This record gives sequence, C-alpha cells and structure tokens, in this order.
Amino acid sequence: NAGVTQTPKFQVLKTGQSMTLQCAQDMNHEYMSWYRQDPGMGLRLIHYSVGAGITDQGEVPNGYNVSRSTTEDFPLRLLSAAPSQTSVYFCASSYSYPGLAGVGGELFFGEGSRLTVL
Amino acid sequence: TQLLEQSPQFLSIQEGENLTVYCNSSSVFSSLQWYRQEPGEGPVLLVTVVTGGEVKKLKRLTFQFGDARKDSSLHITAAQPGDTGLYLCAGKTSYDKVIFGPGTSLSVIP
Repeated sequence: NAGVTQTPKFQVLKTGQSMTLQCAQDMNHEYMSWYRQDPGMGLRLIHYSVGAGITDQGEVPNGYNVSRSTTEDFPLRLLSAAPSQTSVYFCASSYSYPGLAGVGGELFFGEGSRLTVL
Repeated sequence: TQLLEQSPQFLSIQEGENLTVYCNSSSVFSSLQWYRQEPGEGPVLLVTVVTGGEVKKLKRLTFQFGDARKDSSLHITAAQPGDTGLYLCAGKTSYDKVIFGPGTSLSVIP
C-alpha cells in the first residue's frame, strides 16, 4: 500500500536555486494539496487541486507553483528558493472534498519533505 | 481570515491521567476534524464531527463539537504513552478547503 509518496525526503538548497517536490498517490483521489508545517504555526495550505487540470491557491501560495496534468501526480515547484521557505512540506490527498463526513473527506498525508534553504 | 487556535500548546502528563485539549475559533465551520501526528510522519485522521453539539467516542478518546460549531474539544481518559503526539484540529472553511490549527503537543510519561 503506497498511499501518498513524496520525494525527496530531505533537500538542502542555496538561496535562488529552484527545485521540484514530487507527490504521487495511487488511490485515485481527485483532491490533492500541499501544506507547509512550521513550528508553532501548524499546517498552512499552499496550493490545492480538485482534479486533473485544475489548481487553486491556498493561504500561502507566493513563491510556489503547481500543476496537475494527471490524477496521480501533483508536483510543487520552488522557482527561486528563499530562506523563508525552509520548512517541512506535506502532500495530502482525499477521495472527495476534505472535511466531509465519511471516508471521502479524510486527508491522507505523505511522510513529508524537509527542505532547508541556506 | 478564518483562524483556529489550540490550547494548551504543550502538555506533559503521567500515564493514567485524564486530559482535555481545545480548538477554538471566532468563525463557524461546517465540520471539524482531529488529526494526530507522530514525529517524522504525516498527520492521521482520528475523527470528523459535522453537527453542532455532536459527541463522538473512539475508545478512550471523546470528541465534542460546540453547539455553535466554532469550537471543539478532545478528551483522553487514562492516557497511555502511545497517545504521545501532536494533535491537530482542522476546520472546513469552504467546499474545497480545510485549515489547520497550530496543534497541541502531548507527551505521556510512563
């Protein structure tokens, strides 16, 4: 049972470098999202997608791009990394819209990607 | 901007004690979820509550959604070391989004 798979698990970047965090799910979930987790601030929504070809911004989208060309994959791109983007990033998916009662509203999370920007 | 606050931020108790953690907002949510996160892992869903005043029990865990759907509580009876973790509440703000609170970090000492 793969579930939600994130790569890489750890990454160190220099300011100004670009990179892509990969996220793949094998549960045929329509909804996918990216969160960042910082100490004392919980999980903050960066971008999300309700289906292939559809993306939208969350609470903290600046500095990040996403695309959703397939149901399975939802990569997160940092075009020019900044120290403020040092964080742990989580990809999450759900069968239906998150927060709904029942199995459709459960968010399934990957194990996280720890990014350090120097 | 809708915000969720959680209290306490940190809690350290002895095995066998009872505890309650809280999730509060000035906004109304159509549903509220509780997740638990262990170090190095992603959060895992514990429960979803959708009706004001709703109470759900999951073994030693009791979840309550406030009557006005602005707050929730999680009560753990006879805490065990396996309950250690970060407890996050998440409120549904619109049909396609949930927002998370900052979490309560619980440590249960054997």
